[in-house]
Amino acid sequence: QVQLQESGPGLVKPSGTLSLTCAVSGGSISSSNWWSWVRQPPGKGLEWIGEIYHSGSTNYNPSLKSRVTISVDKSKNQFSLKLSSVTAADTAVYYCARVRRYCSSTSCLAFDYWGQGTLVTVSS
Amino acid sequence: DIQMTQSPSSLSASVGDRVTITCRASQSISSYLNWYQQKPGKAPKLLIYAASSLQSGVPSRFSGSGSGTDFTLTISSLQPEDFATYYCQQSYSTPRTFGQGTRLEIK
Repeated sequence: QVQLQESGPGLVKPSGTLSLTCAVSGGSISSSNWWSWVRQPPGKGLEWIGEIYHSGSTNYNPSLKSRVTISVDKSKNQFSLKLSSVTAADTAVYYCARVRRYCSSTSCLAFDYWGQGTLVTVSS
Repeated sequence: DIQMTQSPSSLSASVGDRVTITCRASQSISSYLNWYQQKPGKAPKLLIYAASSLQSGVPSRFSGSGSGTDFTLTISSLQPEDFATYYCQQSYSTPRTFGQGTRLEIK
């Protein structure tokens, strides 16, 4: 059973950098899956931030691309998110998720395992 | 970006009811559509992938249909544990986008 666990500071100052790590257990981050970050502002819907493959290939949401970096550490079986120049609008629960590929097409993807989420508040 | 629009935004129903939630994509996404259930304070849970395939462990009262731009999630007989918020999500292209959610409440 794959498990994901987010960790990182729960409070970040405006203009600072949000840094989170997702530890993967019960499976290898080097498997044929992408690994993703999704966020949810309080009381609102889900927003995809980006994803990474174990090779280091990444895809980012254009709305955040200039501020986002997702990286992978295969030796620790984990991947990370950095979001720079944060404002109050970045306050959200941040989830990491596994992106399972269920057929040969590169579009056959679904978020099948999720972390429990971690609330990050941007405030001085 | 592909916009995903769900209807209704909220819905009141009773245990045992049959419920249908609709999701419309702003362009054709073939069958690359997933459905998730989210309960308060919890992470989303994958219910349906590829528009109509039931994720392992999900009760058979959940079903999905559709292709192109129009999709539906149906719950055949609501159970107390089904009251939650439901999201559709397209995987056809990046950025991966979600619908705004449908909140299913007890009548």
